[in-house]
Amino acid sequence: GAGVSQSPRYKVAKRGQDVALRCDPISGHVSLFWYQQALGQGPEFLTYFQNEAQLDKSGLPSDRFFAERPEGSVSTLKIQRTQQEDSAVYLCASSFTSGSETQYFGPGTRLLVL
Amino acid sequence: GQQLNQSPQSMFIQEGEDVSMNCTSSSIFNTWLWYKQDPGEGPVLLIALYKAGELTSNGRLTAQFGITRKDSFLNISASIPSDVGIYFCVTYPTGNQFYFGTGTSLTVIP
Repeated sequence: GAGVSQSPRYKVAKRGQDVALRCDPISGHVSLFWYQQALGQGPEFLTYFQNEAQLDKSGLPSDRFFAERPEGSVSTLKIQRTQQEDSAVYLCASSFTSGSETQYFGPGTRLLVL
Repeated sequence: GQQLNQSPQSMFIQEGEDVSMNCTSSSIFNTWLWYKQDPGEGPVLLIALYKAGELTSNGRLTAQFGITRKDSFLNISASIPSDVGIYFCVTYPTGNQFYFGTGTSLTVIP
């Protein structure tokens, strides 16, 4: 497709369940980012990939959060043993190069943990 | 993380009115961006600013990079219903991760 796509768009999980969120970046984009957006807040950085290398994971809130991009294209954000405070919109973005002011965002996955 | 404070937090205006919002920080930045997030969508880049004092327009939108490099301003002229959304100032000091402001929610009443 022409833009960044994310799936699922909505996810409801019971507390303690594991979830996996998928991001398909724009073809050819080297850089991929994950952000967490709590209700009424701006997005907050989670992690950054350049191709398949995870160069920055300083924003991951705990070791329950894990992200991968094994072939330098599709990325998966996994959250283990979900907690209620994990409820948020998870946004994926890609850019052609690193350090670009233009990050193209997907529509997000809305995660609700009950 | 960086603290980027936006004001006002929300605005309710009549269609056709002009809008002004700002973003302030305690730190100096070399780049300011303005992104807009429509309901249920991801943010989209509106304007990028690279130099202190710079004034840049994109259609009905005009943004300015503050002289102190600690603030930025966004104006929208003659608002229309599709201007509804949340406006974020953004900066990226390390070149990778974006820091988003607290957001200004805009509602346009037809």
